[in-house]
Amino acid sequence: GAGVSQTPSNKVTEKGKYVELRCDPISGHTALYWYRQSLGQGPEFLIYFQGTGAADDSGLPNDRFFAVRPEGSVSTLKIQRTERGDSAVYLCASSLRGSGSTDTQYFGPGTRLTVL
Amino acid sequence: QQQVKQSPQSLIVQKGGISIINCAYENTAFDYFPWYQQFPGKGPALLIAIRPDVSEKKEGRFTISFNKSAKQFSLHIMDSQPGDSATYFCAASDPGSSASKIIFGSGTRLSIRP
Repeated sequence: GAGVSQTPSNKVTEKGKYVELRCDPISGHTALYWYRQSLGQGPEFLIYFQGTGAADDSGLPNDRFFAVRPEGSVSTLKIQRTERGDSAVYLCASSLRGSGSTDTQYFGPGTRLTVL
Repeated sequence: QQQVKQSPQSLIVQKGGISIINCAYENTAFDYFPWYQQFPGKGPALLIAIRPDVSEKKEGRFTISFNKSAKQFSLHIMDSQPGDSATYFCAASDPGSSASKIIFGSGTRLSIRP
């Protein structure tokens, strides 16, 4: 089927506002990852879901960042009280099994977040 | 602390030439080393990957060379083509960890001149 999709593709917001970024993984993939890519850098891990649960959230920078995956499919990354330093491309990836495997992680096109 | 170090930051190669990108890692628990290719406006896409039990893996024009004792690995692109112009990321993962998360290098912007 289709690959990983992310919406919106671009999001411009003002400092202090709340934003939600959505990820639709490949159908049947149990593992879902969020990464953040700053300009000129490689993606950095944020959080990993196995099914509905956040199995590893060690990459979330602070408590303004939160993510959910209530039905084990679509995931939403939520950022409260946005700061200019949050500006980056937020990438979502999914894989068939996740932890304990070398299954390929398939990335979406990302959401470019700009905080003014 | 950067767990995967990548060089060079940018690379220009003539069409038909060999492109070489180098990486080094710190964590000996890493057991899976993928390379990703990223075009502007797109997410990274897996290009080729290797496990440390082999010293070389070749897929078409792309070859990974792996030196476990030196904790270094490299990507060679033979007969480089303009369509290969992209940013390349080396990466590492510990499949036994809680997440099998990928640790990326900082990237190499490759330009192939026609």
